[in-house]
Amino acid sequence: QKEVEQNSGPLSVPEGAIASLNCTYSDRGSQSFFWYRQYSGKSPELIMSIYSNGDKEDGRFTAQLNKASQYVSLLIRDSQPSDSATYLCAVNMNAGGTSYGKLTFGQGTILTVHP
Amino acid sequence: DTEVTQTPKHLVMGMTNKKSLKCEQHMGHRAMYWYKQKAKKPPELMFVYSYEKLSINESVPSRFSPECPNSSLLNLHLHALQPEDSALYLCASRQPGGGEQFFGPGTRLTVL
Repeated sequence: QKEVEQNSGPLSVPEGAIASLNCTYSDRGSQSFFWYRQYSGKSPELIMSIYSNGDKEDGRFTAQLNKASQYVSLLIRDSQPSDSATYLCAVNMNAGGTSYGKLTFGQGTILTVHP
Repeated sequence: DTEVTQTPKHLVMGMTNKKSLKCEQHMGHRAMYWYKQKAKKPPELMFVYSYEKLSINESVPSRFSPECPNSSLLNLHLHALQPEDSALYLCASRQPGGGEQFFGPGTRLTVL
């Protein structure tokens, strides 16, 4: 069983629509959750972090976390062609109380926003 | 400043060469990471340094040798690589104890 799973893509939405990206994780003790955006040939860029249940909004992005369901999502409102990228869900798995943590990534969802 | 820098941006090397990748951050982070990323795959953790000490080695072959000279610098020494080692090598850092992990721009490595 994969530790972090993302909804299978690719996902294609029209410009101006809401893009919904989903992620589930297996470690119930996980405390930190992140969404990275990665353009082709570039490195991952952190766009959202969320640590507690509920919603967190930042501009057009909203992250949602439900620890009971072990589920985290990312909504992109008013999607733009520049949002076309691979979105990686990352979970900071419990590393035995260490100081550094360890990110486990999902396989990524390719998002295409078409004009 | 949430910047991690990496040099070089691109590297082409033969299987008998010795080369090094460099990573630097000035955010005061004390945890630094090396990842390898192949096309259409997520980053794969290789090494973690915490307070300049190697904390995780994800069973990486010995032809990859990490080094953390000080709290701001992280090196990855490469020797006798194979063509299948060609990938994007990413450095990242974060504060100990939790928080966001920031990636550098990566080094695109090609092994001939």
